[in-house]
Amino acid sequence: DGGITQSPKYLFRKEGQNVTLSCEQNLNHDAMYWYRQDPGQGLRLIYYSQIVNDFQKGDIAEGYSVSREKKESFPLTVTSAQKNPTAFYLCASSMTYSSYNSPLHFGNGTRLTVT
Amino acid sequence: KQEVTQIPAALSVPEGENLVLNCSFTDSAIYNLQWFRQDPGKGLTSLLLIQSSQREQTSGRLNASLDKSSGRSTLYIAASQPGDSATYLCAVRGGSNYKLTFGKGTLLTVNP
Repeated sequence: DGGITQSPKYLFRKEGQNVTLSCEQNLNHDAMYWYRQDPGQGLRLIYYSQIVNDFQKGDIAEGYSVSREKKESFPLTVTSAQKNPTAFYLCASSMTYSSYNSPLHFGNGTRLTVT
Repeated sequence: KQEVTQIPAALSVPEGENLVLNCSFTDSAIYNLQWFRQDPGKGLTSLLLIQSSQREQTSGRLNASLDKSSGRSTLYIAASQPGDSATYLCAVRGGSNYKLTFGKGTLLTVNP
């Protein structure tokens, strides 16, 4: 069954610690994305990757970092520089980045709580 | 800058009713529009994607229409069921960088 796996589902960290969220897809998609969802704010793009070994900043990249060393994996690191890291994080993928007929598929999210 | 609005923010209907969810966008130069469903605490599930050259797409009880010139899309749900209760989001892709812009969603409750 093809899909996107995000782990863990819940993550708790102390302020000042870096934390890495995992995202793995077996859909053979080239493009992958990280979004942050906060109540009342909708989805905001953190980083995206059009192809392996490439990634670009989204609208709210400050305090986050990513890597794309393998086609199927796009981990997100939330650093201590991120001012308000507590949020619901969603990973997504699409067959290509710029195709007009390439829907986004999402994982089930990771809820990060930093205290 | 593209802005996507979904009105109403919440909608409650009795089971069996046909209903329409609305999505409007400010820049009509889009490549496609996608409708998603999100259950509480879960990720988004893609429902329908309409390319800019298309007027509508159908999947089962769902029908999505697109009027690019007026910057509007509707998601029609026929014979609603309690299992349809969820938040429905629309997103448009456009611009030179193919950016995807999301609306904030409509929370639908279908009462048995």
